[in-house]
Amino acid sequence: SQELEQSPQSLIVQEGKNLTINCTSSKTLYGLYWYKQKYGEGLIFLMMLQKGGEEKSHEKITAKLDEKKQQSSLHITASQPSHAGIYLCGAHPLYNTDKLIFGTGTRLQVFP
Amino acid sequence: NAGVMQNPRHLVRRRGQEARLRCSPMKGHSHVYWYRQLPEEGLKFMVYLQKENIIDESGMPKERFSAEFPKEGPSILRIQQVVRGDSAAYFCASSPPRGRSPTNYNEQFFGPGTRLTVL
Repeated sequence: SQELEQSPQSLIVQEGKNLTINCTSSKTLYGLYWYKQKYGEGLIFLMMLQKGGEEKSHEKITAKLDEKKQQSSLHITASQPSHAGIYLCGAHPLYNTDKLIFGTGTRLQVFP
Repeated sequence: NAGVMQNPRHLVRRRGQEARLRCSPMKGHSHVYWYRQLPEEGLKFMVYLQKENIIDESGMPKERFSAEFPKEGPSILRIQQVVRGDSAAYFCASSPPRGRSPTNYNEQFFGPGTRLTVL
């Protein structure tokens, strides 16, 4: 079965610093999603990547999917306290777009 | 345009009681998914439903758990005779009908979750 591994598991950065979160799959990724979850709340959709080499940006967050479609990275530039939360990558299992499998998440803390 | 709604947001039950979790999908969405997030674990798929049909329940525990999405009204996730191990956050997501997504995939939009605590 397909598994998603995220690294690091947790991250503590100073405000203003850049950071990167990685998501690696044991198999080719189909429809890679990035979500953010604040403690005690639901998931907020950030971005979705489909094609190998694709890159998308929204405000200070950039997500990339590698050419082989087995690894994605989420990069935050000039982090702010509002970026704090749990970042989850999700993907559809092979030939099945009816469900998502998720990584274990990366907990981000940003201190002033 | 209201998002996915879930209620209650918090639910406390004693062992052996029943828990009913409700999910109203986004307007125009006919597909509903339930996921469970156990403490210190990732989000796991439970079941995928369309109106009056269970499409994929491969992630549902074999006993005590059931789900429905009637023609009218919200989707319901029902847990009978709850045990402490059922304590978790239960999330519902919805997606539009096939062919109405701007991509080839069904983006899923998540609700705020119901946090179930079993005493």
